[in-house]
Amino acid sequence: EAGVVQSPRYKIIEKKQPVAFWCNPISGHNTLYWYLQNLGQGPELLIRYENEEAVDDSQLPKDRFSAERLKGVDSTLKIQPAELGDSAVYLCASSLGPGDTQYFGPGTRLTVL
Amino acid sequence: DAKTTQPTSMDCAEGRAANLPCNHSTISGNEYVYWYRQIHSQGPQYIIHGLKNNETNEMASLIITEDRKSSTLILPHATLRDTAVYYCIVRPPGTYKYIFGTGTRLKVLA
Repeated sequence: EAGVVQSPRYKIIEKKQPVAFWCNPISGHNTLYWYLQNLGQGPELLIRYENEEAVDDSQLPKDRFSAERLKGVDSTLKIQPAELGDSAVYLCASSLGPGDTQYFGPGTRLTVL
Repeated sequence: DAKTTQPTSMDCAEGRAANLPCNHSTISGNEYVYWYRQIHSQGPQYIIHGLKNNETNEMASLIITEDRKSSTLILPHATLRDTAVYYCIVRPPGTYKYIFGTGTRLKVLA
């Protein structure tokens, strides 16, 4: 069974540029999560989707971050414009439902110069 | 939400059992204990979870004390590939909230 797929794995951009991350969850998983992981810290939840609906985006900085999950499968997380402090690993995870075990993708490591 | 406390780092000799402790003294009766690990440059990997009873799978064993205030993850025969950061997470049932701490950095030594 294929796991959670994320791309790109690495991204280097200059500050004020836009950037987007893509996630394809495990087939059949209705719940999708985006996490942010700073160096030396554990992941922190940014947003959770149930199918195509964002049901918890309370931790998403909405001034520059946006996300979508069209058709309730793949998801995209966008930052516009990026700031130096956005340098981190962005993780996507999925689960069958909100109370089920979460499975993580490999993450996208973003470096903002 | 219950908090967890883990040692910052541990070493283990290759081939020996690695015992990783976690304190969750404020856990409530229906909260699950989850363990994940994160190998360098990879996403967190699910290992095991439990509620009250001890659990075992192909990766590890989870021992939860009778009062549920602490647990131990056991890797029975540690290999160099088990070197990773191990996270203990307490999660209320039916919720999605995983609150990761800083975990335990396990180093398996040859």
